[in-house]
Amino acid sequence: TQLLEQSPQFLSIQEGENLTVYCNSSSVFSSLQWYRQEPGEGPVLLVTVVTGGEVKKLKRLTFQFGDARKDSSLHITAAQPGDTGLYLCAGIYNFNKFYFGSGTKLNVKP
Amino acid sequence: GAVVSQHPSWVICKSGTSVKIECRSLDFQATTMFWYRQFPKQSLMLMATSNEGSKATYEQGVEKDKFLINHASLTLSTLTVTSAHPEDSSFYICSASRASGGYEQFFGPGTRLTVL
Repeated sequence: TQLLEQSPQFLSIQEGENLTVYCNSSSVFSSLQWYRQEPGEGPVLLVTVVTGGEVKKLKRLTFQFGDARKDSSLHITAAQPGDTGLYLCAGIYNFNKFYFGSGTKLNVKP
Repeated sequence: GAVVSQHPSWVICKSGTSVKIECRSLDFQATTMFWYRQFPKQSLMLMATSNEGSKATYEQGVEKDKFLINHASLTLSTLTVTSAHPEDSSFYICSASRASGGYEQFFGPGTRLTVL
């Protein structure tokens, strides 16, 4: 059973399009992180959100933490082929336990 | 800083043998290390949390006698897959958090285990 559900599971878009990935749970998180993973490598941290309602921007990526700290979204503007990868959210419970979401595999076609 | 290495990066073994995977924090002290398993096209599943000098805490459904974890120092944790079987074939990833605390985990590059 996955504690955090991500949607969509797969996304294939053209370069220049926008997209949003969602991460949802019935549980409240201490904080939430987003990672990007390339095949055969470990995940790389993109952002940590801590406060309910928080919005963080990282160039073309916008991350939002839900007011109730149960959900989060990742929005990518003008996607590029270099954005291709597996995007994972990770909910942090009790400040020390990480559980990863089901993952969203993004493919951006040139 | 905050580099985590894993060794080996890939291993192929025969069914019934045991395999040890090392996870090292190269430039920081890690009081806590985590072991994850990732099957193809799936997310990371937490297997166990390892604190230096104490027994690992295993997640539900993970056999502690099959996946032996040792965290003998602040820079090294090992995962031993005992009597490996083909269904144990997976990508094993470790991560480490700093002794000073904080939310960030630093991930190793992973170890691809293939059991024939």
